[in-house]
Amino acid sequence: DQQVKQNSPSLSVQEGRISILNCDYTNSMFDYFLWYKKYPAEGPTFLISISSIKDKNEDGRFTVFLNKSAKHLSLHIVPSQPGDSAVYFCAARGSNFGNEKLTFGTGTRLTIIP
Amino acid sequence: ETGVTQTPRHLVMGMTNKKSLKCEQHLGHNAMYWYKQSAKKPLELMFVYSLEERVENNSVPSRFSPECPNSSHLFLHLHTLQPEDSALYLCASSQGYRDSYTFGSGTRLTVV
Repeated sequence: DQQVKQNSPSLSVQEGRISILNCDYTNSMFDYFLWYKKYPAEGPTFLISISSIKDKNEDGRFTVFLNKSAKHLSLHIVPSQPGDSAVYFCAARGSNFGNEKLTFGTGTRLTIIP
Repeated sequence: ETGVTQTPRHLVMGMTNKKSLKCEQHLGHNAMYWYKQSAKKPLELMFVYSLEERVENNSVPSRFSPECPNSSHLFLHLHTLQPEDSALYLCASSQGYRDSYTFGSGTRLTVV
C-alpha cells in the first residue's frame, strides 16, 4: 500500500518556464511534507518542506502548495534552470506513533530543456 | 569529512558472498536509517536506529543484518543475497525523527 504517490515518473520543461511536480498521499495522519532532490550518484538532499497548518511555503524559486482536503501537494519551480534537472522525491510523516518516520514517493525525473 | 559518508560506492557480489556496507555521520545526529532504492519504487525504509538501539525493522529478510556500534556508525551486513536485492542502498541520519534527514551518496549494489 503506497501512502505517498508521485504519478508522473518524468517531466520535461523548457528553461525559464514553470515546473510543477505533483504528489498525493493517502494517510490522513501525515502532517509534515518534504521535497528532496536527487542528482545521479548522489544521495537525496532536502529542498523544502511544509507543515499541515500552512497551505503554502516559499523559498526563492521553489514554492510548495498543500491542499489538505485533496491530500495533494505540489512543488513549483519558477523560473526553471538546467541545474534543476534531477529526480524529485516527495516525502511525508505524521506526529503520532508509527507515522514519525519519513515515507517517500517513487520520484519524478525532471528534465529542463535549454 | 562532513555530512554522511557511505562506503563502498559500488559493490558487486556473488550470491554466496558476505559483505558489509558502512555509513558514518559527522553531524552529531542521534538517529540513523537504512533505505533501499529500487527502480520505479519508493525509497523503502529498512532499519531505524535511535540512540544506537534498533527501533524499527520493516520486515526485512534476515540476509540483511544491521549493526550500530555507536551513534556515528551504521553497518549493513549482507550474506547469501539474491539478484533482486540489487539496488541503491542509502544511509541517512537525523536529529530526532522530526528533523529532515541527511542522506549519504549511497552504495550501488549488484548481486550476480
